[in-house]
Amino acid sequence: AQSVTQLDSQVPVFEEAPVELRCNYSSSVSVYLFWYVQYPNQGLQLLLKYLSGSTLVKGINGFEAEFNKSQTSFHLRKPSVHISDTAEYFCAVSAYTGGFKTIFGAGTRLFVKA
Amino acid sequence: KAGVTQTPRYLIKTRGQQVTLSCSPISGHRSVSWYQQTPGQGLQFLFEYFSETQRNKGNFPGRFSGRQFSNSRSEMNVSTLELGDSALYLCASSLVVDISYNEQFFGPGTRLTVL
Repeated sequence: AQSVTQLDSQVPVFEEAPVELRCNYSSSVSVYLFWYVQYPNQGLQLLLKYLSGSTLVKGINGFEAEFNKSQTSFHLRKPSVHISDTAEYFCAVSAYTGGFKTIFGAGTRLFVKA
Repeated sequence: KAGVTQTPRYLIKTRGQQVTLSCSPISGHRSVSWYQQTPGQGLQFLFEYFSETQRNKGNFPGRFSGRQFSNSRSEMNVSTLELGDSALYLCASSLVVDISYNEQFFGPGTRLTVL
């Protein structure tokens, strides 16, 4: 079984400051890792994904994440945030067990202040 | 290419009623997954369908069921609605070629309110 823990429920940060949203996971099988963003009253949009290969993954809107297998982490970072980055961010793991099953973390609310 | 569409977008029902939600995947996508999103429980996996077969399911009671049609469109049904079923129901589709991961594309969701 898989599980995902997002270590911060809310992260307030000033505009143009760097940010890191933390995610740890556990799984007994190989997994794929994702970060999604959700704006109010909308569905989820994929920011980036780790399937295999390089552990540093770059996504849309200037976000990147690093897969650390030994620490079972997949933290999301952005060097300089904008007001428009205010949203809910979800870390997720997916595994194939006869069919795909994706487990999401509880979410981190990023609030960017002017 | 059109995205994932879900109908209706908003729905109000009363306890004890049943409801059917619809999801049309991106053209060519054969896998459809359903999720329930609530403030208290977050995003929870309901089930995944591929080629009209349920391949995986989450930990939800039997009141929650689904199906997929030959054109990959999917419906989920909730019978005997409870207040706790109030949630945003999200559908996601993916193009499945083999067991390597295929990216999921999410619809805007159906907001269900149970009174």
